[in-house]
Amino acid sequence: QSALTQPPSVSGSPGQSVTISCTGTSSDVGGYNRVSWYQQPPGTAPKLMIHEVSNRPSGVPDRFSGSKSGNTASLTIAGLQAEDEADYYCASYTRINTFYVFGTGTKVIVL
Amino acid sequence: EVQLVESGGGLVQPGGSLRLACTASAFTFRSYWMNWVRQAPGEGLEWVANIKEDSSERNYADSVKGRFTISRDNAKNSLFLQMNSLRVDDTAVYFCARGGRPHAFDFWGQGTMVAVSS
Repeated sequence: QSALTQPPSVSGSPGQSVTISCTGTSSDVGGYNRVSWYQQPPGTAPKLMIHEVSNRPSGVPDRFSGSKSGNTASLTIAGLQAEDEADYYCASYTRINTFYVFGTGTKVIVL
Repeated sequence: EVQLVESGGGLVQPGGSLRLACTASAFTFRSYWMNWVRQAPGEGLEWVANIKEDSSERNYADSVKGRFTISRDNAKNSLFLQMNSLRVDDTAVYFCARGGRPHAFDFWGQGTMVAVSS
């Protein structure tokens, strides 16, 4: 099972919006609404930002939103802030071999 | 506040064994699936294994199947990962993570480092 494909990095100025894509197959992202997103600042543990494609846990700012179209899920950060600079990973349930698969990770850079 | 604290990491030679533990607090441990996720130095996240609330179901990544065993002790709020036949490419920080949302990991520990080297 290969990792889901994410862009290595995205960047934006404070206040702008950025979108991170996460591309899989019909066996994972496209087949189930079981996509989640995690934020990981350097040297820290990941934090859940979105679950089941578009649901935000309590405490996560509404600037973070998730969506899915076909085999590609997306995380959008609106009104970018300096504190959003981190690595972001998507994950999905998969019916192929393993149980869950993570994305390759995307570094968000705030200019 | 939910807490997950991993322990048991260290330096081990290829072919050796190690047992990781994760101690949970401030939630009803026996009511949640639990997971192990690892991250090699400078690399991304990789799901390793998970275990159902009552230990009746366990799942493993292909990369560790047959070598690693996940278990839990609900009376002691503890999760374990027995790692045998360790390889250099098992070197990583190992996180325990709660499966508190459908198919998502809602709380994570700070991780424990496992280094496999001769």
